[in-house]
Amino acid sequence: NAGVTQTPKFQVLKTGQSMTLQCAQDMNHNSMYWYRQDPGMGLRLIYYSASEGTTDKGEVPNGYNVSRLNKREFSLRLESAAPSQTSVYFCASGRQGIYGYTFGSGTRLTVV
Amino acid sequence: TQLLEQSPQFLSIQEGENLTVYCNSSSVFSSLQWYRQEPGEGPVLLVTVVTGGEVKKLKRLTFQFGDARKDSSLHITAAQPGDTGLYLCAGARAAGNKLTFGGGTRVLVKP
Repeated sequence: NAGVTQTPKFQVLKTGQSMTLQCAQDMNHNSMYWYRQDPGMGLRLIYYSASEGTTDKGEVPNGYNVSRLNKREFSLRLESAAPSQTSVYFCASGRQGIYGYTFGSGTRLTVV
Repeated sequence: TQLLEQSPQFLSIQEGENLTVYCNSSSVFSSLQWYRQEPGEGPVLLVTVVTGGEVKKLKRLTFQFGDARKDSSLHITAAQPGDTGLYLCAGARAAGNKLTFGGGTRVLVKP
């Protein structure tokens, strides 16, 4: 099925470890996004990529880096994980905001 | 303080009852969207409203965009257990801009 694929679904990290969350979409969308979701906070934008080759900071970028590898793939990297980064991470893609985003099923990350 | 405030945060009702969820802001949005999210899944788009005063219906769900394009509501008629989930509103300040999400309303419909 067409859509947004995220890996892994679950991950436990120790404080200070690094990891990369992978995201791929097959809908030929230009824009891709990384959000984190915490209880009562809704979805907060970490980074986004309006088109291949460009990335920009969102609302909560500290502690994260991203790479737009090609039109399909947009990865999120935690260089030195902290307990405050425990969250559910969602990748999304879309044409423009008015058309809505398609979300992946999320990565549940716990940092101990 | 979030740009989009949703109320209530949690709603528990019996099957067959009606409910309304509100999404409010002091800012004007060019468009506003509603998503539903089920446990373990990502949000799924329900509707987009773009014109002030616009009303859209999706079966038992009615969505309204305020005249000033600062607020929106979602009304569910005769709720069913399948309507249970987290409802999120999201707005774009201008066409092509990234979306800002509200904090969400968790709806539980008991059989």
